[in-house]
Amino acid sequence: ETGVTQTPRHLVMGMTNKKSLKCEQHLGHNAMYWYKQSAKKPLELMFVYNFKEQTENNSVPSRFSPECPNSSHLFLHLHTLQPEDSALYLCASSQPGTDEETQYFGPGTRLLVL
Amino acid sequence: AQTVTQSQPEMSVQEAETVTLSCTYDTSESDYYLFWYKQPPSRQMILVIRQEAYKQQNATENRFSVNFQKAAKSFSLKISDSQLGDAAMYFCAYRGMDSNYQLIWGAGTKLIIKP
Repeated sequence: ETGVTQTPRHLVMGMTNKKSLKCEQHLGHNAMYWYKQSAKKPLELMFVYNFKEQTENNSVPSRFSPECPNSSHLFLHLHTLQPEDSALYLCASSQPGTDEETQYFGPGTRLLVL
Repeated sequence: AQTVTQSQPEMSVQEAETVTLSCTYDTSESDYYLFWYKQPPSRQMILVIRQEAYKQQNATENRFSVNFQKAAKSFSLKISDSQLGDAAMYFCAYRGMDSNYQLIWGAGTKLIIKP
């Protein structure tokens, strides 16, 4: 699990809390992604950053705020979440310009909103 | 819009036997990539195998192989000599050539290995 790391691995927060998820990739990639994974549903792409620029925001509520300070780090800032936001949040990275654009994933952060 | 369908929510196989997981997709593109990812209970999503649509030869990685039927838009994964470590969720994914890096995912198939 050294290619893409995520912290924390587990997070419990109340609806009024503010927290941040962190992702770091050690693969030299220039694209990073946030996904939401809920039980028995396909992965939902939330945000895409390409060379530190946000290129995709799939109608994600504003209570989720991404930040990409450089190509190796990606954050997801959380505030005033709802219980339905409880899920596994996965970070991934890939290298633009390669044909297959294979995405490599972190272990995820299991989020529970009370 | 492209869609990916995995019609088997759960499959089980006896250790050492062969199992096939199905995946179908819908697209109007002629060139694209298809992927199978594995997510064990530890949650790390790992690439198992990938296939370029313009290649007619089916991709193979050790005990994992695919049966790619482009006309039928089918992309099944065959696991030979199943091992306990193969137990996981398996996800099929599609990427078009002009998709801005986005993958379209199936809902997954849970594979159970019986010892």
